[in-house]
Amino acid sequence: NAGVTQTPKFQVLKTGQSMTLQCAQDMNHNSMYWYRQDPGMGLRLIYYSASEGTTDKGEVPNGYNVSRLNKREFSLRLESAAPSQTSVYFCASSVDSRSYNEQFFGPGTRLTVL
Amino acid sequence: GDSVTQMEGPVTLSEEAFLTINCTYTATGYPSLFWYVQYPGEGLQLLLKATKADDKGSNKGFEATYRKETTSFHLEKGSVQVSDSAVYFCALSAGNNRKLIWGLGTSLAVNP
Repeated sequence: NAGVTQTPKFQVLKTGQSMTLQCAQDMNHNSMYWYRQDPGMGLRLIYYSASEGTTDKGEVPNGYNVSRLNKREFSLRLESAAPSQTSVYFCASSVDSRSYNEQFFGPGTRLTVL
Repeated sequence: GDSVTQMEGPVTLSEEAFLTINCTYTATGYPSLFWYVQYPGEGLQLLLKATKADDKGSNKGFEATYRKETTSFHLEKGSVQVSDSAVYFCALSAGNNRKLIWGLGTSLAVNP
């Protein structure tokens, strides 16, 4: 049982390049989330998917797009990377989006944009 | 809007010391409250939670009580270990938007 997996673990991009961060969960969870973590800023929600087939913006969606490919997979795309997107990105999942449900996190992707 | 305020770190303690990390919140309605822990180089994992007033969450020797009258959810442990060194995040979930609102995290270092 792998839980939440993310690829890649590390990535360096040049300004303007694009990339997709992959996330998959094997817990049959309905809801999935993308966060970024920056020093002094805590965790900020980028996008979430309450259930397969739906996606919604979080606090900081600008510069990102997401795809809920199926129930297991939720990808995050940077179309034209900027240095301000240097961060650690976490994917998470939960049984559903009810407020008391635990979120399970992946190990993170450390992204540097030069 | 809803918010979470945690005490700033870093917090440095000696092994077997008593730990308190303060967390207060502002929320409409009746939030669920959480403490997550992030060990170095890892993702976050749930430490404990409480879903209604006066509930006490506990796990691995850590405890926190949901105090509606003081809008607080302070994390405590009676005797910390070196292995407790991590960043601790307080969070709440409330209302129709069903999203977690996070504190900024408190870094804890425990010295032998």
